[in-house]
Amino acid sequence: AQSVTQLDSHVSVSEGTPVLLRCNYSSSYSPSLFWYVQHPNKGLQLLLKYTSAATLVKGINGFEAEFKKSETSFHLTKPSAHMSDAAEYFCVVSDSYGGKLIFGQGTELSVKP
Amino acid sequence: DGGITQSPKYLFRKEGQNVTLSCEQNLNHDAMYWYRQDPGQGLRLIYYSQIVNDFQKGDIAEGYSVSREKKESFPLTVTSAQKNPTAFYLCASSNRQLNSNQPQHFGDGTRLSIL
Repeated sequence: AQSVTQLDSHVSVSEGTPVLLRCNYSSSYSPSLFWYVQHPNKGLQLLLKYTSAATLVKGINGFEAEFKKSETSFHLTKPSAHMSDAAEYFCVVSDSYGGKLIFGQGTELSVKP
Repeated sequence: DGGITQSPKYLFRKEGQNVTLSCEQNLNHDAMYWYRQDPGQGLRLIYYSQIVNDFQKGDIAEGYSVSREKKESFPLTVTSAQKNPTAFYLCASSNRQLNSNQPQHFGDGTRLSIL
């Protein structure tokens, strides 16, 4: 069965410094992986998705993620944090049947001025 | 603009009442989903529908019911059997899942509270 673990429940960075949000997954086959962002009292917005075309995936707002099969990881990065990046981030793996999504517990990103 | 509309944004329920949350999409998506989100937790799947007039239970379907009479609409009823209904409810849609790489698009949610 598929599962996903976000290694940090909360990450705090200063504006202008790099962001790293960690995600490990478990899957018995080649998975589809996503990162979503959620601002307070809002729905989830897709940041990027991995579907086996390329291991380094570029998303919106300067975010990118690298799929590492040997480490079963899909960490999200951004070179320079902006205040507007403060939000909850979810790493998600897609089930093999019916497209059901399996969500990590979320990582809350805080950005200090 | 295409998107998913959830209403109302805030909803209050008295003990013993059923309430219905609305979800409408104009993205022409076949599949629709309902999730529940509790503080500090990821999203949990309540029900999903891959085509009109068909739906399946998700991981936490007890105390909830749905219908899918139209492609664009997927209302969720929280029944009195749901003992802990206070949560943030999110509706999503996607193209029909012929494979696993279709992303889901989300509405802005409905926050349900018990009076």
